[in-house]
Amino acid sequence: GEDVEQSLFLSVREGDSSVINCTYTDSSSTYLYWYKQEPGAGLQLLTYIFSNMDMKQDQRLTVLLNKKDKHLSLRIADTQTGDSAIYFCAGSSGGSYIPTFGRGTSLIVHP
Amino acid sequence: DAGVIQSPRHEVTEMGQEVTLRCKPISGHDYLFWYRQTMMRGLELLIYFNNNVPIDDSGMPEDRFSAKMPNASFSTLKIQPSEPRDSAVYFCASSNRNRGEAFFGQGTRLTVV
Repeated sequence: GEDVEQSLFLSVREGDSSVINCTYTDSSSTYLYWYKQEPGAGLQLLTYIFSNMDMKQDQRLTVLLNKKDKHLSLRIADTQTGDSAIYFCAGSSGGSYIPTFGRGTSLIVHP
Repeated sequence: DAGVIQSPRHEVTEMGQEVTLRCKPISGHDYLFWYRQTMMRGLELLIYFNNNVPIDDSGMPEDRFSAKMPNASFSTLKIQPSEPRDSAVYFCASSNRNRGEAFFGQGTRLTVV
């Protein structure tokens, strides 16, 4: 099955860009997702990328996919204090609709 | 749609008591997942259902845990008897075959004292 790894913490200054990285093991993953969890809330889908894409941009968010290295990243431009949250990377293996989540990266944005 | 609805939001119970967590998935979704989140272990998949049928319960920690889905709009996760180490946030999520993205409820924060 899928195994997803990501670093646990990232601290950035307000206004800077944040880059959250993730590696996965299953090369047949069809979709790869980024979820955001704010304190006291459930996970919410931020964005996703289909496995035949290299990049996807959505306003301040840019997702990069390197299939060769099985590496996924989420870049948040002009990071704001409201972006402070836990960010989860997830993948679903080919033919499976069961997302496997990483441990989550806590993004801390300081003034 | 109101999204995935979980109840209660918070539950405090004494060790040894039975606890029942409830979930209403999004209408039309055919997958339902129960997750547990703790600081130590992160987000763990406990069990998932497809079309109301339990498919994989290998993540259920012990026989004290059981889950049911009597119909497409309701599922329960029961812990009997509860123990302090069961304290965690329990999430229910649902999805369909479109893109496989999971929609999460707000979670139930369980504290066993």
